[in-house]
Amino acid sequence: DAKTTQPTSMDCAEGRAANLPCNHSTISGNEYVYWYRQIHSQGPQYIIHGLKNNETNEMASLIITEDRKSSTLILPHATLRDTAVYYCIVRVADSGYALNFGKGTSLLVTP
Amino acid sequence: NAGVMQNPRHLVRRRGQEARLRCSPMKGHSHVYWYRQLPEEGLKFMVYLQKENIIDESGMPKERFSAEFPKEGPSILRIQQVVRGDSAAYFCASSPYTVNTGELFFGEGSRLTVL
Repeated sequence: DAKTTQPTSMDCAEGRAANLPCNHSTISGNEYVYWYRQIHSQGPQYIIHGLKNNETNEMASLIITEDRKSSTLILPHATLRDTAVYYCIVRVADSGYALNFGKGTSLLVTP
Repeated sequence: NAGVMQNPRHLVRRRGQEARLRCSPMKGHSHVYWYRQLPEEGLKFMVYLQKENIIDESGMPKERFSAEFPKEGPSILRIQQVVRGDSAAYFCASSPYTVNTGELFFGEGSRLTVL
């Protein structure tokens, strides 16, 4: 699986959009980008995933650059409950193997 | 539809004892993954199982750790002769039977403390 690089930490004001970047310059054509988050002491939670088109669901939007070497997770209106560690993961879908979590980005949403 | 159930949520063991952690996947899910999270560290993959089969155990320590997912009943992660370094949160995740899309559903974890 391709390696990802994320900032260690970020801050965001409540009510504003949180834009979390992820660099995956070695991604190959059949690898998807997945985002998970882990709120303190809880189990990780799936957010969204995509291949090359932008994706949106009730939680977030995923913007993938045309060359697929980077992506951004957007939480459109961050709340205090969005404070968590956010993990960007790249892997081949349907491969049957585990997701490998890196260190992620610690997002702090402030009042 | 109940989520992934893990028990016990908290377990205290003395050095040298055995720890057994149980995981019941979501209904209809036959893929189970175990992860370990040491204090202040990220999640590390341990093992991936399907019913009665270990598919990938590349993250399992070579000694004292074992996992199973029997035809009936929960998946079990067993740690023999625990040491202080085994103190961690152990998370179980499951995914649907038909296609593994990469979306894993995690339980709330079992927190092991070794005295």
